[in-house]
Amino acid sequence: EVQLLESGGGLVQPGGSLRLSCAASGFTFRNYAMSWVRQAPGKGLEWVSVITGSGGSTYYADSVKGRLTISRDNSKNTLYLQMNSLRAEDTAVYYCAKTEYSSSWYFPPFDYWGQGTLVTVSS
Amino acid sequence: DIQMTQSPSSLSASVGDRVTITCRASQGINNYLAWYQQKPGRVPKLLISAASTLQSGVPSRFSGSGSGTDFTLTINSLQPEDIATYYCQKYDSAPLTFGQGTKVEVK
Repeated sequence: EVQLLESGGGLVQPGGSLRLSCAASGFTFRNYAMSWVRQAPGKGLEWVSVITGSGGSTYYADSVKGRLTISRDNSKNTLYLQMNSLRAEDTAVYYCAKTEYSSSWYFPPFDYWGQGTLVTVSS
Repeated sequence: DIQMTQSPSSLSASVGDRVTITCRASQGINNYLAWYQQKPGRVPKLLISAASTLQSGVPSRFSGSGSGTDFTLTINSLQPEDIATYYCQKYDSAPLTFGQGTKVEVK
């Protein structure tokens, strides 16, 4: 059974940092690209970042480029999101999501999602 | 970057009605289009990939169509359990943008 368990969320002041983790199990982690998607309170889904299975390529939404960094440790089956220079508008539930299959040409849609971890940026 | 625009942003329909949600891409994305359902308080669920391929276990009253820039999610015979917000997402290339969502309510 595929499981994705996020952790690391919490309250942080503007300008602060936080690192989110997503522990994966139930599938061969290294074979799948993984992504972070966030949802501000009462708002829609916003794609944040994606990383290839090997970790060799990463992509970001313009809204987070230069401040958030996605990474993975395939030996630990864990996905990370390092969040620096946080702003109030980064307040959201952050979901990690698994792509549906392995592809060399594009990032497939997300077939499994974690339960999310809430990040609140406020003074 | 390619923008994804859904319409309407919300709708209210009766049980048994046919409901149609539209998603438009600002540039062609072939059929690299997915639809997700998010029920209140729940995580998103993948309904349809490749514009029209129903995921296993998804009721057959759901269907998707389209290619290029214009896509449609149809719910035939709306059921009370279909109350949710529906999102389209492009996945031809990054950024993997979502539409803004369509909230479906039952009258």
